[in-house]
Amino acid sequence: KAGVTQTPRYLIKTRGQQVTLSCSPISGHRSVSWYQQTPGQGLQFLFEYFSETQRNKGNFPGRFSGRQFSNSRSEMNVSTLELGDSALYLCASSLVGSNNEQFFGPGTRLTVL
Amino acid sequence: DAKTTQPPSMDCAEGRAANLPCNHSTISGNEYVYWYRQIHSQGPQYIIHGLKNNETNEMASLIITEDRKSSTLILPHATLRDTAVYYCIVRVANRDDKIIFGKGTRLHILP
Repeated sequence: KAGVTQTPRYLIKTRGQQVTLSCSPISGHRSVSWYQQTPGQGLQFLFEYFSETQRNKGNFPGRFSGRQFSNSRSEMNVSTLELGDSALYLCASSLVGSNNEQFFGPGTRLTVL
Repeated sequence: DAKTTQPPSMDCAEGRAANLPCNHSTISGNEYVYWYRQIHSQGPQYIIHGLKNNETNEMASLIITEDRKSSTLILPHATLRDTAVYYCIVRVANRDDKIIFGKGTRLHILP
C-alpha cells in the first residue's frame, strides 16, 4: 500500500506570494492533518480534515487555509507569504475509528525569500 | 501546550538499550501515551502507544508507571539508524483531537 505522498517536495517563493501544497493520504484513510515544523517552534498543528470538513484547527492566522476533496486528497494554501512561513509542512493521514495512528508524508520544504 | 515533558537530548551506545523517559503528570484517565520518532529530513513515524499496561512491538517496548504519570520508551538494541528525535504525546484514542507535539528528545546513538 502506498504511503502518504506530498507535492511538491521543495518550493521557493518570495514574500507576498501565495502557495498551494498537496497531500494524498493512504488509500482508505479519510482523515488528513497538516503540521508546520520549524527549528524554533517544532511541530505545530495547523488543521485536520475529515470528509471534506475541517474538524480541528490550530492557532495559525487566516492566511493559512486548507480543503479536502471527495477522494480525501487535501490541499493547504498560504497567502501573502512571510519570511517566517519558511518551514517543513507535513501532512498525516489516519484511518478513523482505529487507534488514531497517524502516518506522515515526507513533507514539503517551503523557503520564502 | 504539550502535556508531556521530555529531556532535550540523550546519548546511547550502539547495541545497548535506549531508555527514553517522558513525564505526563496531568494525563487523563482516557488518554493514551503515543510515541513517534522523526529521523532527519523525514516525516514522523509512529512507534507504539499504550493506556496503562506495558506494550511491546517489533520496534520498541513501552513501560507506563502504575500512576500513569510517566512512561519510558525502550529500544532494546539501539543502532545508528535509531538516531532521531523521539516525541511522547498523550491523546484520547478513537477521537480525532489535534495532536500537540512537544520538543521531543534528540537521541544520539554512539558507535
